[in-house]
Amino acid sequence: SQQGEEDPQALSIQEGENATMNCSYKTSINNLQWYRQNSGRGLVHLILIRSNEREKHSGRLRVTLDTSKKSSSLLITASRAADTASYFCATDDATGGFKTIFGAGTRLFVKA
Amino acid sequence: ETGVTQTPRHLVMGMTNKKSLKCEQHLGHNAMYWYKQSAKKPLELMFVYSLEERVENNSVPSRFSPECPNSSHLFLHLHTLQPEDSALYLCASRLARNTDTQYFGPGTRLTVL
Repeated sequence: SQQGEEDPQALSIQEGENATMNCSYKTSINNLQWYRQNSGRGLVHLILIRSNEREKHSGRLRVTLDTSKKSSSLLITASRAADTASYFCATDDATGGFKTIFGAGTRLFVKA
Repeated sequence: ETGVTQTPRHLVMGMTNKKSLKCEQHLGHNAMYWYKQSAKKPLELMFVYSLEERVENNSVPSRFSPECPNSSHLFLHLHTLQPEDSALYLCASRLARNTDTQYFGPGTRLTVL
């Protein structure tokens, strides 16, 4: 499996429901980021959580990080049709280099 | 708008053509990235430049040639591409090494006939 692997690959929910996406990674990291991508467009940064943080909030987004399990989750509460997109986690490893490793993403579809 | 622009947004080229993709940022960032995004695959890092010096070259075929004339501009020169090179090419920039988020351009959708 790859660094920054998301689960599930696809998720379909009704508007108003919560959406939870998970990400697992393999190596020690400095931080973990979540990005969103609308179809065929560039990625937009959502939230960054550092390796010494356990939870972070931004509006309707909640991210958790468990470095002992090498995993993170992204929760979107009260989802809207406009949240329909692909969501990617990305990790910067602890060696201090420039590489950021992206997972394959979770495709979220929110039905109105 | 993220502050990173890419041109052209769409490009169709034959296998014998030579073309260039352009990326520009005026965010004061020091590092710039090229990624390739193919259908149903994770983003593939291609090249990273820091202060105009190439610091990562991720085993990319020589038919892709990057150029970074200054910290605000990044090019990807393409020649004798293959149909499997058709993909979305994304440029990104970040302030510094490993400390901040990346800001992505909208991408160039490349089709190689």
